Amino acid sequence: GQNIDQPTEMTATEGAIVQINCTYQTSGFNGLFWYQQHAGEAPTFLSYNVLDGLEEKGRFSSFLSRSKGYSYLLLKELQMKDSASYLCAAMDSNYQLIWGAGTKLIIKP
Amino acid sequence: IAGITQAPTSQILAAGRRMTLRCTQDMRHNAMYWYRQDLGLGLRLIHYSNTAGTTGKGEVPDGYSVSRANTDDFPLTLASAVPSQTSVYFCASSALLEGAEELFFGEGSRLTVL
Repeated sequence: GQNIDQPTEMTATEGAIVQINCTYQTSGFNGLFWYQQHAGEAPTFLSYNVLDGLEEKGRFSSFLSRSKGYSYLLLKELQMKDSASYLCAAMDSNYQLIWGAGTKLIIKP
Repeated sequence: IAGITQAPTSQILAAGRRMTLRCTQDMRHNAMYWYRQDLGLGLRLIHYSNTAGTTGKGEVPDGYSVSRANTDDFPLTLASAVPSQTSVYFCASSALLEGAEELFFGEGSRLTVL
């Protein structure tokens, strides 16, 4: 079956670095997405990886290993506004998105 | 640019009532989607539409119907609401269905069925 696993909740300190992991099992693979969702708001796109390696975008980076079915989102220089849920989604061979339940990130001063 | 507009933002509904959630986009995207989001679960696809005039079933279609009469509008109808349909509903769109395009989401409609 198709499955996405990510931690339910993580806590980090303002100014620090945090890594949110995601493992996936899909029928075929057409890329891995990360979305950010603040409480009570809509998800917004953060990143897309389809090739192995690290993609850097400002304070946020996303990594993919296709052979391991593994991705992570790296957030640097954490700010209070980064408190949100981070959703991992893998796209299968039919271009359908399989979503994880999300990781709630709590930032403490 | 509004992007995607959903209405209503919140609604309390008696079980057995019919309800339509509205969704309109102004980005001329081909593909549109309806998801529900429940605590502890990932987004689950209810129905989707590749292009105007076509619709398809997602992961959890039972109890819901959709139509796509034109590019901009994609309403979701609950014919006879049940308490298990209490959820937050998100409409989304993307430029293409086949291909890894990012989704743009509406602000959500919070529905409570009593």
